Amino acid sequence: DQQVKQNSPSLSVQEGRISILNCDYTNSMFDYFLWYKKYPAEGPTFLISISSIKDKNEDGRFTVFLNKSAKHLSLHIVPSQPGDSAVYFCAASATGGGNKLTFGTGTQLKVEL
Amino acid sequence: DTGVSQNPRHKITKRGQNVTFRCDPISEHNRLYWYRQTLGQGPEFLTYFQNEAQLEKSRLLSDRFSAERPKGSFSTLEIQRTEQGDSAMYLCASSRELRTATYEQYFGPGTRLTVT
Repeated sequence: DQQVKQNSPSLSVQEGRISILNCDYTNSMFDYFLWYKKYPAEGPTFLISISSIKDKNEDGRFTVFLNKSAKHLSLHIVPSQPGDSAVYFCAASATGGGNKLTFGTGTQLKVEL
Repeated sequence: DTGVSQNPRHKITKRGQNVTFRCDPISEHNRLYWYRQTLGQGPEFLTYFQNEAQLEKSRLLSDRFSAERPKGSFSTLEIQRTEQGDSAMYLCASSRELRTATYEQYFGPGTRLTVT
């Protein structure tokens, strides 16, 4: 049972354009959502997070949007840079659940020159 | 600032052998998590500690797996009688539990286990 889903295994965008990565979840108990970036042979690196009491959080080039009614969140990267090329994981946690993270399967982003 | 460290980075072992991995969390973090990641999947939760207490174990953690966090500092994950299906990346993460409820977990580089 995949509670966090990233339906696009890969995404290719041109440098300078917007990258939009999507994530859907099924567990209504999730109340905190995070995005991680992962390079090969490294551990995931925390990017940005959002609480369920908000619908948007912005940090520099990264913005996360949360639509609770649709159980959907997205990560926008503007402008995209070649160094952004990596696998992006969406993760979710529930208060009272020890904050353990449930991850999606990831989206491979490639930013082309 | 030292992040989360894990040792060894790579481990190749023969089926049936025991292996032990170590994780050193960020020093002021009181929570420590273990995850496992296989090819094409996201990390999957295995277990977590708050200080030295192991508070939850996933059903993925069979009785061949054991984890400890003595004195609430570093943690070890041991796999006994390894099987080929144990081949994966084992990730450790730590976080600081705050009243403001900061949930970010910071990951180490992982230990890549290959069981032959």
